[in-house]
Amino acid sequence: DVKVTQSSRYLVKRTGEKVFLECVQDMDHENMFWYRQDPGLGLRLIYFSYDVKMKEKGDIPEGYSVSREKKERFSLILESASTNQTSMYLCASSLLWGYENYGYTFGSGTRLTVV
Amino acid sequence: AQSVTQLGSHVSVSEGALVLLRCNYSSSVPPYLFWYVQYPNQGLQLLLKYTTGATLVKGINGFEAEFKKSETSFHLTKPSAHMSDAAEYFCALNTGTASKLTFGTGTRLQVTL
Repeated sequence: DVKVTQSSRYLVKRTGEKVFLECVQDMDHENMFWYRQDPGLGLRLIYFSYDVKMKEKGDIPEGYSVSREKKERFSLILESASTNQTSMYLCASSLLWGYENYGYTFGSGTRLTVV
Repeated sequence: AQSVTQLGSHVSVSEGALVLLRCNYSSSVPPYLFWYVQYPNQGLQLLLKYTTGATLVKGINGFEAEFKKSETSFHLTKPSAHMSDAAEYFCALNTGTASKLTFGTGTRLQVTL
């Protein structure tokens, strides 16, 4: 089975801290994505990457950055955490579009609370 | 711009009753459509997908969905609900121009005895 692993299930951080959320996939997928999920808003795309060192902004990139130094790892960085970044963060991966269109494989999510 | 609308943020059915979760989409090109399920405190799991070919798509756990181009719909159904179906369900769309999925806001399914 394809696995997408997010390093933490629950995190509590203080306002102003720099926060790293890590995601690793083991199926050699080209694409990786970070979403945040909030009640009533569904999933909103923060950033995605279609290759090592490549990244593109999603719909809500403000306050976030990403890093993809290796194909299997995609990190989301909150430069200075704020309370409005309290949310569930979901990482996903997929094959390059145009090949098997199986959609995404998701990690289990990281529930981040900023206090 | 492409978009997905899920009608009803909460749906409640009795165990054994028909499940119908509605999804409508907007796209200027032929869409690829997906349904995902999310159980509490978990990530999303693919239920089924429509890319090309047969418009009635069967998925896991007895769910199916029918792509209706004339109605721009991709509703999810299951003939008989089970308690274990209680979860949140997301419809998603990709127009094939990029790898990004656009998600609906989700429908929480409650199953009662």
